Amino acid sequence: AQSVTQLDSQVPVFEEAPVELRCNYSSSVSVYLFWYVQYPNQGLQLLLKYLSGSTLVESINGFEAEFNKSQTSFHLRKPSVHISDTAEYFCAVSAGQGAQKLVFGQGTRLTINP
Amino acid sequence: DTAVSQTPKYLVTQMGNDKSIKCEQNLGHDTMYWYKQDSKKFLKIMFSYNNKELIINETVPNRFSPKSPDKAHLNLHINSLELGDSAVYFCASSSRASGRLADTQYFGPGTRLTVL
Repeated sequence: AQSVTQLDSQVPVFEEAPVELRCNYSSSVSVYLFWYVQYPNQGLQLLLKYLSGSTLVESINGFEAEFNKSQTSFHLRKPSVHISDTAEYFCAVSAGQGAQKLVFGQGTRLTINP
Repeated sequence: DTAVSQTPKYLVTQMGNDKSIKCEQNLGHDTMYWYKQDSKKFLKIMFSYNNKELIINETVPNRFSPKSPDKAHLNLHINSLELGDSAVYFCASSSRASGRLADTQYFGPGTRLTVL
């Protein structure tokens, strides 16, 4: 079975500061990794994903995440955050051939202070 | 041009009642899901349907019954509602096209169910 651990439940940072949201997973088979973002009172939106190939993946709004197989991690980073990045961020994994079930971490609340 | 839509957005009801939540997707996907998000924001899959066939059923009480009349719809019916059913329910869809390594799931806006 797969599991995901997001090490920080809350991360407060100042605007324009860098941020890293940590995600570790466990799985006995090959995995596919996702970061979703949930803005207040909204549904989940896909931020970025790793399926195969380059271990560094990027989103259109400046976030990036790196798949590290040896450390079983998929940490999310942004070099300079904006107030509008305030949201809940969820790391998720699906595993195995034809994987369909997403297993989510507990979420990290990112709060940007001016 | 909403991709995955859910109705209603909010649902407040009494214990013991029966209620339904509807989900529709216009993405042409063949797989749909229901997830439950509890008060601590934890998300857990409940069901998944592929081409109207149930393929994932995660130890959910049988008071919950999903119904998929066609590939674009997946409704969730809940009998004898209990206080613990209060949560946000998310519908999602994906395309299980052959050759894909994994399917990106697209989520609806959620339905906040409050059982009094």
